[in-house]
Amino acid sequence: KNQVEQSPQSLIILEGKNCTLQCNYTVSPFSNLRWYKQDTGRGPVSLTIMTFSENTKSNGRYTATLDADTKQSSLHITASQLSDSASYICVVSGGYGGATNKLIFGTGTLLAVQP
Amino acid sequence: EAGVVQSPRYKIIEKKQPVAFWCNPISGHNTLYWYLQNLGQGPELLIRYENEEAVDDSQLPKDRFSAERLKGVDSTLKIQPAELGDSAVYLCASSLVVGGLTDTQYFGPGTRLTVL
Repeated sequence: KNQVEQSPQSLIILEGKNCTLQCNYTVSPFSNLRWYKQDTGRGPVSLTIMTFSENTKSNGRYTATLDADTKQSSLHITASQLSDSASYICVVSGGYGGATNKLIFGTGTLLAVQP
Repeated sequence: EAGVVQSPRYKIIEKKQPVAFWCNPISGHNTLYWYLQNLGQGPELLIRYENEEAVDDSQLPKDRFSAERLKGVDSTLKIQPAELGDSAVYLCASSLVVGGLTDTQYFGPGTRLTVL
């Protein structure tokens, strides 16, 4: 069964600290993996996208890694800011190929950055 | 450039009443998605359109849910009659699919539905 699991479910850190969010998936065949940030009351916004051949992708203070062999991804946030407080959703595309790819969403990690 | 527009942002109705949500995708995006998101969960796909054709509606509860995208641009999602369990956020997203490859989905702000 195609699944995306994220950990931890929630996380509280102090402003300025770093943190790492985890994503494990069992989607096959694999096409790409995306990390989205969803602020409360808003729709998800794409942070990074990685294909099979990419093992790291950065977007400002966000760095995503991908290990296609172990089917694991992480999102590292450096020097956290209060505005980083949000839900971070891992989304894996695959299963069918091309434009008919299914997007399998994780349940998200809820991050709270405290002053 | 405007993003994905959804209306209304909030809707409160009594059970058994009908409700409709509207979505206008990013200009030029040929693919439109409707998702349902429960609190603390990731979005779940309800239906995907490529232009005006519904190419994946396998997760749409067709006994009470319906959707249309008549001119391949904006779309309406309807629930009739609504049930208590339909309370959720309904997200619309759009993307540009070219040559069989799916681009990033851009999400609207969602419509928060409360069924009393």
